[in-house]
Amino acid sequence: AQTVTQSQPEMSVQEAETVTLSCTYDTSESDYYLFWYKQPPSRQMILVIRQEAYKQQNATENRFSVNFQKAAKSFSLKISDSQLGDAAMYFCAFDTGTASKLTFGTGTRLQVTL
Amino acid sequence: GAGVSQSPSNKVTEKGKDVELRCDPISGHTALYWYRQRLGQGLEFLIYFQGNSAPDKSGLPSDRFSAERTGESVSTLTIQRTQQEDSAVYLCASRQQGYNEQFFGPGTRLTVL
Repeated sequence: AQTVTQSQPEMSVQEAETVTLSCTYDTSESDYYLFWYKQPPSRQMILVIRQEAYKQQNATENRFSVNFQKAAKSFSLKISDSQLGDAAMYFCAFDTGTASKLTFGTGTRLQVTL
Repeated sequence: GAGVSQSPSNKVTEKGKDVELRCDPISGHTALYWYRQRLGQGLEFLIYFQGNSAPDKSGLPSDRFSAERTGESVSTLTIQRTQQEDSAVYLCASRQQGYNEQFFGPGTRLTVL
């Protein structure tokens, strides 16, 4: 069974600064997908970024980037130039590649302060 | 439609009553998922539909929970004899065949008094 662990229940960052959210996972699969989802108070889950395990290059989407360490089973999210609109719950998620379901971590609540 | 829609947005019910939650996936998406999110928790997988294949029901917590899907369209999640522990947000997601990204609806917040 796959597990996803997010060890930071809450994080805070000042506007325009950089913050890194941590995620580790456990699996015996060699091919899989990793995701970061954002959930604002509206409850809508929004995909932030995804990483295919077979790709060595870290994924980047504008101000969002990941540090994917396959051997360490680590998948952290870096948010640069933080904005007030980035405040939300962030969930790390894992998919075995058969796309049967996503396994989620417990989330990190990100606060952005002025 | 433009995205996944769910109804109702909020549902308050009394313990012991049955409830039905609805999900309209994105048109053309063959896969549909239901997840449960308890307060302050991550999402728990409940059930997965893929085309005409038998659904993966491995996440359903008890036989009070059931779900149906008509072809590749609407799905309903039914909870019979609701309990207070069923209070949660129920999220639906759909996915296009050949792609791994799941698109989520806004969820239904269920409160069992």
